[in-house]
This record gives sequence, C-alpha cells and structure tokens, in this order.
Amino acid sequence: DAKTTQPPSMDCAEGRAANLPCNHSTISGNEYVYWYRQIHSQGPQYIIHGLKNNETNEMASLIITEDRKSSTLILPHATLRDTAVYYCIVRPGGNQGGKLIFGQGTELSVKP
Amino acid sequence: ETGVTQTPRHLVMGMTNKKSLKCEQHLGHNAMYWYKQSAKKPLELMFVYSLEERVENNSVPSRFSPECPNSSHLFLHLHTLQPEDSALYLCASSQEPGQPERYTFGSGTRLTVV
Repeated sequence: DAKTTQPPSMDCAEGRAANLPCNHSTISGNEYVYWYRQIHSQGPQYIIHGLKNNETNEMASLIITEDRKSSTLILPHATLRDTAVYYCIVRPGGNQGGKLIFGQGTELSVKP
Repeated sequence: ETGVTQTPRHLVMGMTNKKSLKCEQHLGHNAMYWYKQSAKKPLELMFVYSLEERVENNSVPSRFSPECPNSSHLFLHLHTLQPEDSALYLCASSQEPGQPERYTFGSGTRLTVV
C-alpha cells in the first residue's frame, strides 16, 4: 500500500510557483519523503528527498511540516516542461527499505 | 538520455510469441529493477537484482522470466503472454539496492499483446 495521499490533478500557470501537497500521516521516524516525477512516455525522474528539515536543490524545494505528517513540493517557476505526474513516496532511507513503491501521484498541468 | 537504455521502445506480440526486453546501463550501478506500469495504475515493482543475483520477485507470473547476465544488462523474457500484460515496462538501476534517490529509469518498452 502506498502510504501517501496526493490530489489526483492540479493546474498551474506558467512562471508561477507550483505547490504540490502530500499527506503521510502514518510516517515513521526513520522514513524519508521522496519525490519523483514522470513526464509522459518517459521513466520516472528523481527530484528531491528529505527527512525532517526543508530541502532545496536545483529542481525544487521540499517543505516538511514539523509533525512530519505532510509535505509540499515547490517548483518555484513552473514551465511547460514541468507538466508531469508527481509522486510522493515515503520509505526508510539507505538500504533499509528495499522497494520504491509508487502511488497514483498528482498530474500537474502547467498552462501558458 | 538517462544512462539507462531500453530496447525496443515499442513491441507488439501475439499471445503465442516469445520475445525479450533488454535494458542496459553503463553507470556502474550494482542493482537493477523491472517495473510494470499498466494504464491508470501505479508502477508495480516486478523484480530486483543485486550484483546479478535476484533478490526480489513480487509474485510475478512465470510467463515473465528475468535474466541478469552481468551488472550492466538486464533482460525480461516473455512467453505466452495475455492481453492484460500490455503495459509500459520500465527498467531502473541504482548503485545499491535501496537508495531511492539514486534510481535511474529508462524510457521503457511499450508492450502490446494481441
């Protein structure tokens, strides 16, 4: 079972920030939050991950609430090429968890 | 190009055919994976290989037979498939099993069983 809940779809205007929410109310203390995305007809692509601190890289920012029960992926200036399905995944870090389990994800449409 | 190459990109096969999907990576990774993505369904993990040894088989029917002859190549042999096996088959690799931030996926093989 996927341990996360995401809205099935969202729209965002080009150039604006895209904020994608994820609920993971049953997350354990040793589980990380990972985000991947899948552009149409391609394989999934890693975006970012975090444990409890907010994280930022060249692709996105990840904001995790203090109780760790939810998080938000932020694409600061969405472009048309960011249109994709975004997956929020929780699992232990490193070699502890084994599988990477995908849920249904959020289909983000960036519009001109 | 991600560094993980899958061939063919598209495949149409009859239910009595035998075919193979190929995955190749030259990233120096030690673990390789097969995933299945059916229409309107999440990705499903099928097989995990670590250092050419199968470490996980998620109740996949025997009509799917994986092979990992070396750490750079992974095959999925197909025989007597059913129409419901039509899906996008994705290969991924990582330095070690686990380490999900290091998964690199190929673009997949779109399989249609007729």
